[in-house]
Amino acid sequence: KAGVTQTPRYLIKTRGQQVTLSCSPISGHRSVSWYQQTPGQGLQFLFEYFSETQRNKGNFPGRFSGRQFSNSRSEMNVSTLELGDSALYLCASSLEGTGKETQYFGPGTRLLVL
Amino acid sequence: GDSVTQMEGPVTLSEEAFLTINCTYTATGYPSLFWYVQYPGEGLQLLLKATKADDKGSNKGFEATYRKETTSFHLEKGSVQVSDSAVYFCALKRMNRDDKIIFGKGTRLHILP
Repeated sequence: KAGVTQTPRYLIKTRGQQVTLSCSPISGHRSVSWYQQTPGQGLQFLFEYFSETQRNKGNFPGRFSGRQFSNSRSEMNVSTLELGDSALYLCASSLEGTGKETQYFGPGTRLLVL
Repeated sequence: GDSVTQMEGPVTLSEEAFLTINCTYTATGYPSLFWYVQYPGEGLQLLLKATKADDKGSNKGFEATYRKETTSFHLEKGSVQVSDSAVYFCALKRMNRDDKIIFGKGTRLHILP
């Protein structure tokens, strides 16, 4: 079974631009979560989607948004990019998102904002 | 709110040394506890987990015991290898709630041959 895949793996943008990252969960998994990893703040929860609905949201500004499609694939969007948005963005998937199952992480998308 | 505190690194050890990485947590209720590992250039891999007090999680020679009385989940390995060099994250998740994971800051481990 294929693991969690994220595209693109690397991305370079300039301040003020917007970016869309994609995450394809493991087949059959319905819950997708997103995390931002930076050297200063570590790993921080962005949001979680289940059955196309945002179920939980971290403490990030409204420039960060996401969605989930009927096939469970998820995208996150960051508008008006700032230098501080440079980070590794990780997504994780699980079967039902109940908190009891193991979550599997993708390799991440590394975003550099210049 | 819920939080995880782990020892800061980097931690440098010689091959075959004993490893301990300390982790303590603050949480309401009874969370599940995890150790994740991140190898250079890769995403996170679940190393081990424990879902209730006194549970011991183990994998690849690593162990950690869920200690409710001391709110701790220290990671140990009896004899480390160069291939164990990575960043280790202690984390918690609230059971039966959702998939939000709260991570510690991570501890970078260097093993010297």
